Amino acid sequence: KNQVEQSPQSLIILEGKNCTLQCNYTVSPFSNLRWYKQDTGRGPVSLTIMTFSENTKSNGRYTATLDADTKQSSLHITASQLSDSASYICVVSDRGSTLGRLYFGRGTQLTVWP
Amino acid sequence: EADIYQTPRYLVIGTGKKITLECSQTMGHDKMYWYQQDPGMELHLIHYSYGVNSTEKGDLSSESTVSRIRTEHFPLTLESARPSHTSQYLCASSGHPRTRDGYTFGSGTRLTVV
Repeated sequence: KNQVEQSPQSLIILEGKNCTLQCNYTVSPFSNLRWYKQDTGRGPVSLTIMTFSENTKSNGRYTATLDADTKQSSLHITASQLSDSASYICVVSDRGSTLGRLYFGRGTQLTVWP
Repeated sequence: EADIYQTPRYLVIGTGKKITLECSQTMGHDKMYWYQQDPGMELHLIHYSYGVNSTEKGDLSSESTVSRIRTEHFPLTLESARPSHTSQYLCASSGHPRTRDGYTFGSGTRLTVV
């Protein structure tokens, strides 16, 4: 069973609308949680990174939240644009090794329609 | 502006051919990684390196090999490509975890073995 689960698997919204993507994880001990945006055929690009003590972080129209007690995170996208169409990947890092091992979700495929 | 470069972006080759996927980074990162990603699936770590002359296998069994002769260069080689090797290969690098340096990914190589 994957230690990082994302929902929904896919989402279609109209341009200008808001949306929220969910991430639940079981990784322990927790180090940090990252959200990445991956355009088709490209590598992931970092949007936000949060540690245990941070419960919200914004990057432009992207706002990520973290509840380390319930092990849940969300990514909220405001006033969506066509260029937001991409896969959004939740990645959790543990503190169990010097490598800072990463656990990847399968991503939410977001499509923004005009 | 990419600080980590992968070549080629796309590659179609015949079964049995030897191939090398190139990855170079200009950030001076000690740690480098190779991931394999199939459509709609999470990234799987296949190789990583702590530094020069250090290479380790990742979680996903892979018939590929890697080398790390220079800090900035981390090529991946398949001695005899098979159709099962068809996938997207992503290279990444990172700084020391305590600096909260996020992973930086390359744009990927889309490999098709026919």
